[in-house]
Amino acid sequence: ETGVTQSPTHLIKTRGQQVTLRCSSQSGHNTVSWYQQALGQGPQFIFQYYREEENGRGNFPPRFSGLQFPNYSSELNVNALELDDSALYLCASSWTTPDYGYTFGSGTRLTVV
Amino acid sequence: AQSVTQLDSHVSVSEGTPVLLRCNYSSSYSPSLFWYVQHPNKGLQLLLKYTSAATLVKGINGFEAEFKKSETSFHLTKPSAHMSDAAEYFCVVTPAGGFKTIFGAGTRLFVKA
Repeated sequence: ETGVTQSPTHLIKTRGQQVTLRCSSQSGHNTVSWYQQALGQGPQFIFQYYREEENGRGNFPPRFSGLQFPNYSSELNVNALELDDSALYLCASSWTTPDYGYTFGSGTRLTVV
Repeated sequence: AQSVTQLDSHVSVSEGTPVLLRCNYSSSYSPSLFWYVQHPNKGLQLLLKYTSAATLVKGINGFEAEFKKSETSFHLTKPSAHMSDAAEYFCVVTPAGGFKTIFGAGTRLFVKA
C-alpha cells in the first residue's frame, strides 16, 4: 500500500509567478484535500476534490485552484504568487469523506521571494 | 459552525511522566475528532480518531483520548512520555459526512531527559 506522495519537496518562486504542486493519493483513496500550513500554525483547509469535482472550499481566493485526475491524483495551482503564500502545502487523501481520517503527504515547502 | 481550541501552545514533560494535551471543540453536528502528530519537516500522521463509537479511543504509540460530549473535550493522554514523542500535536474536527476539516493551532510537546 503506497502512501501519499507530493512533488516537488521544495520550491522557490518569485512574487507574481504561478506554481503547480502535485500529489498522488494513497492507493484506494478517491478524495484529495489540500492544506496550507504557515510557519508555526495549524494547517488551513484550501479545498477538497472528490471524483474530479471540487466539493468543498476554504477561505482562499480564486487564484488558488486545483484539479483531480481520473487516477485520483491532484494538482494545486496558485497564480499571481504573493509573499504570504510562502508555506508548507500539504496534500491529504481519504476514502470518500474524511470521517475516518486522512493520510497526509510530507508536503511541498513553497518560498515566495 | 465548527472550531477547535488547543488550550496549551507548549507542554513540557520529563521522560517517563504522563502527557496531557488538551483540546476543546465546537461543532453543530455530530463530529469526527482526530489527533495528528507532526514531527519536524514531516507530514502529519494520524494518532487516533473518534467516530461516535467508544468514547475512549486508543491510538498508536500508547496514546489515547477520551471524548466527553458534556465538556466538549477530546484530550490526548499517554501514561509515560518517551523522547521520540517530542513533536507538534494537532486536534482536528470534521463534521459527520462532511469536509472543511478544522485543525487546532497545535501544541508543541517537549520531552526532557
